[in-house]
Amino acid sequence: QKEVEQDPGPLSVPEGAIVSLNCTYSNSAFQYFMWYRQYSRKGPELLMYTYSSGNKEDGRFTAQVDKSSKYISLFIRDSQPSDSATYLCAMSSSEYGNKLVFGAGTILRVKS
Amino acid sequence: DGGITQSPKYLFRKEGQNVTLSCEQNLNHDAMYWYRQDPGQGLRLIYYSQIVNDFQKGDIAEGYSVSREKKESFPLTVTSAQKNPTAFYLCASSIGIAGVLGTGELFFGEGSRLTVL
Repeated sequence: QKEVEQDPGPLSVPEGAIVSLNCTYSNSAFQYFMWYRQYSRKGPELLMYTYSSGNKEDGRFTAQVDKSSKYISLFIRDSQPSDSATYLCAMSSSEYGNKLVFGAGTILRVKS
Repeated sequence: DGGITQSPKYLFRKEGQNVTLSCEQNLNHDAMYWYRQDPGQGLRLIYYSQIVNDFQKGDIAEGYSVSREKKESFPLTVTSAQKNPTAFYLCASSIGIAGVLGTGELFFGEGSRLTVL
């Protein structure tokens, strides 16, 4: 079993839809949770960062962490064609020397 | 503009050859990393370095080697011992080891795609 599980998709939605992207993990020691966005043939860029449990909002993006369920989510409101990318969840803990463990990534396609 | 530059973008290698991928950063970051990305898999850590002249193996270091002679540079050599080297290679840097300063942000280059013929 992988430490971090993420549905690879592809997930295809119409423009304006609310998108929900999710990851589950097995190691309860993870403390830092991140979402990276990766456009085709480019390097990933940090989108959202959350420490421990709770919600964080930034514009159209909301990150949620539920440590009791070992489940994290990224919500995108009013999705745009420019949101089409691969979304990677990542997490770390002091147990791992704070090295990041990545999910496989979910491919998102927003159709205009 | 500050950032990470990887070269070459595309590289073809014959079996049995060593190749070196370049990674240069002008962000004045202490930590640098090499990841490998394969379809359907997450990024897997090959090597990382926290300071000049020091580096540690990641999860999949076999068949790879690195050096860190300068703060700005962290080249990766894919040796002939790497059994399945065809992949997308990403170099990254951070102010420190991810999470220590509370941001966890890695800055990535645009990647190098290596294909073994």
